[in-house]
Amino acid sequence: SQQGEEDPQALSIQEGENATMNCSYKTSINNLQWYRQNSGRGLVHLILIRSNEREKHSGRLRVTLDTSKKSSSLLITASRAADTASYFCATDYGDKIIFGKGTRLHILP
Amino acid sequence: DVKVTQSSRYLVKRTGEKVFLECVQDMDHENMFWYRQDPGLGLRLIYFSYDVKMKEKGDIPEGYSVSREKKERFSLILESASTNQTSMYLCASSFMDREADTQYFGPGTRLTVL
Repeated sequence: SQQGEEDPQALSIQEGENATMNCSYKTSINNLQWYRQNSGRGLVHLILIRSNEREKHSGRLRVTLDTSKKSSSLLITASRAADTASYFCATDYGDKIIFGKGTRLHILP
Repeated sequence: DVKVTQSSRYLVKRTGEKVFLECVQDMDHENMFWYRQDPGLGLRLIYFSYDVKMKEKGDIPEGYSVSREKKERFSLILESASTNQTSMYLCASSFMDREADTQYFGPGTRLTVL
């Protein structure tokens, strides 16, 4: 399967701490994207990193991509209650995009 | 802002009924997709379309069909609903861009088949 795999499946941290989640995939990609899904809602695109990029920032989000290890990480700094959601990586192979199963992030007050 | 709307947030149908799920996008996107999302399985692609009247099977098309008569509208049809089609259905759209297929999602329809 080309599906990316997020790790961990679930993560609980205190508000204000940083949250890190990882995505591994199996074959070469064009780019990798991260999406967020609040409970019972649709997915929202967060950030895209291309295969020739190693790191990208957007506000409190930092994404890294290591194509040699076929892995990516999403770091959310200074977490807030509103960051409680599921986070999905999506690997873009050019002819299709495949979503992983997601990491459930819970921010504790 | 891109807006993708789905006809219902919640839907309850009986086994054997024909079910229509409608999706409309307002950004003139060429691509439209239907996914189902189930716990532990993530998002699975049912059908997608790159143009009007065009459709392609995704990973799990069995038991579903689609219709795209207008660019902005993509319908998912369950010809004879079954209990194993109880799920969250997500519609998405994107521009025809081979460099990056960023998808915009609707709010989802939670379908229960009794």
